[in-house]
Amino acid sequence: NAGVTQTPKFQVLKTGQSMTLQCAQDMNHEYMSWYRQDPGMGLRLIHYSVGAGITDQGEVPNGYNVSRSTTEDFPLRLLSAAPSQTSVYFCASSYSPGSNEQYFGPGTRLTVT
Amino acid sequence: DAKTTQPNSMESNEEEPVHLPCNHSTISGTDYIHWYRQLPSQGPEYVIHGLTSNVNNRMASLAIAEDRKSSTLILHRATLRDAAVYYCILRDDAGGTSYGKLTFGQGTILTVHP
Repeated sequence: NAGVTQTPKFQVLKTGQSMTLQCAQDMNHEYMSWYRQDPGMGLRLIHYSVGAGITDQGEVPNGYNVSRSTTEDFPLRLLSAAPSQTSVYFCASSYSPGSNEQYFGPGTRLTVT
Repeated sequence: DAKTTQPNSMESNEEEPVHLPCNHSTISGTDYIHWYRQLPSQGPEYVIHGLTSNVNNRMASLAIAEDRKSSTLILHRATLRDAAVYYCILRDDAGGTSYGKLTFGQGTILTVHP
């Protein structure tokens, strides 16, 4: 198993540009989520999904869109990038919301200038 | 949401035990205590979790106070690879709106000296 993979590893955007951060898992996990981590802080939940076709907002959803058309993939879209979205983004997955262990990807470091 | 309080940082020597404390005085009956750690430049990884009883696994032990208002993550013999940020997280597993969500605080930065 590759586990949770994220692409790209690094990205620089100009203010106003849009882009999609990719997240995929090959463990047949139903539950997937996106977090952002700002310097010196813990992770904050952006959006999550309990299965294909079902998504919901987390703590900091503004400026981000998600969709879940397959079990494996959970892309995060930045509609119009802002400097405040400069952060490291982590995708996570688990078999179900109540699973003991959530698996995190290696992260995408995004800089918006 | 129930909150946790952890020391900002702790230091240890290699091959010595490490006790990482966590206070969670407002814990509810359906909150599980989860610990994750984040090695430098990596995503968090699960360490251990528990509800009421002490727990052991290959990575660590979790000691939970009888009143559940505090817990301690125990690394029995610290290695340089254990240098990381350790997060103590309360997760509501009762199936409510916060079901499955992990709320990360700032965690404890553990430094391990050779």
